[in-house]
Formats: sequence, C-alpha cells, structure tokens
Amino acid sequence: NAGVTQTPKFRILKIGQSMTLQCAQDMNHNYMYWYRQDPGMGLKLIYYSVGAGITDKGEVPNGYNVSRSTTEDFPLRLELAAPSQTSVYFCASSYSLDPDREDTDTQYFGPGTRLTVL
Amino acid sequence: AQSVTQLDSQVPVFEEAPVELRCNYSSSVSVYLFWYVQYPNQGLQLLLKYLSGSTLVKGINGFEAEFNKSQTSFHLRKPSVHISDTAEYFCAVSPRGSNYKLTFGKGTLLTVNP
Repeated sequence: NAGVTQTPKFRILKIGQSMTLQCAQDMNHNYMYWYRQDPGMGLKLIYYSVGAGITDKGEVPNGYNVSRSTTEDFPLRLELAAPSQTSVYFCASSYSLDPDREDTDTQYFGPGTRLTVL
Repeated sequence: AQSVTQLDSQVPVFEEAPVELRCNYSSSVSVYLFWYVQYPNQGLQLLLKYLSGSTLVKGINGFEAEFNKSQTSFHLRKPSVHISDTAEYFCAVSPRGSNYKLTFGKGTLLTVNP
C-alpha cells in the first residue's frame, strides 16, 4: 500500500492564482481530511469528507473548496490565492465504524504540500 | 468541543536521558487519544493511540503513554532517548467514535543533544 499520497510536494503561487492540491489513498478508508499547519499552531482542519459525495467544513474553510467524487481521491482547490494561505497542507484518511479493524478511528497522514503565495 | 494543551513548546535533553512530554486535554465526553511524531520536512506518523482497555499504551520506537482520566492527561515517555528522536511531537484528542473531530495540540519540539 502507498498509503496517503499528495502532489505536488512544493508550489509557489502568485497572489490571485488558483491551484488544486491532489490527495489519494489506497487503504479503502471512508473518511478523508485536509489540514493546514502553520508554525507553532499545530494542525487546523480545513475540510473533511465522510464518504464519496459528502463533504463538510472544518475550522478554517474560507478560501478553499473540496470535492469527493471517489473513495480514493480528495482534491483541495484554492481559488484566488492570498499570502495568508502560505502554509504546509496535509491530507489524511481514516476508517470508522468497524471495531475489528486495527486501523479503525485512526488518521493516517500524507507527506504534505508546502505552498508559498507571493 | 475538546481542547489539547501541550505544556512545553520545547524540550531539550541529552542523549540516553529519560524524557516526558506532557499533554492535558479537556472534553465533556469520552475520548480517544493519540500521539503523532513529525520529523523535519515530513508528514505526521502515528506513534501510539489509546482507544480503550489498558491505560498504559506502548508505541513505536520505545515510546509509551499513560491515559489518566482523573487528571485528563496523556503524557508521553521514553526511558532513554536517541539523537534520532529529535522531532516535533503532537498530542491529539477526538470524541469516542468521532475521529473526524480530531483536535491537535500545538506541538512539542524534542531536541536530543549528544
């Protein structure tokens, strides 16, 4: 299993540009998440999805959009990039509702995308 | 809602010394507890977790943590650290059965010096 994969690893955007951060998982997890990590602030949840076709806002959703058309993929869209969106973005996935699975109710993270908006 | 407080933002120690990284949480419901480790320029890796059962949890790389419900704590310990343990450590909590509501602490940077 590759686990959770993210592309790109690094990106520099100009103010006002748009981009999509890609995330995929091959663990058959039903839940997926996007976080941003800023220095000294821990991780903040941007959006999450409990299954294909279902998404919901987290703590800091403004300036972002998501979609979940398949179980495996959960892209994060930035429209009109702003310097405040300079951050490291992590995608994660988890499985819920099955107490017999070793990985149930545990989030697994991708390697991250480092985004700079200038 | 729940919250997590990691009491130390930085912990410097010498190699082969014991270490304890402190984590306290607040929640009105029963919780799951997690410790993640983040090595420089990498993603978060699960170190250990408490879902139920024994309150002493053993994880990877010789780390362990103890869930103390009365003190609402989940401190991480290792009896003898190595240079390679230098990393940032995050404590996290979620309501039992609602892992999508995972809340992270701000992290503790463990620096192991020779």
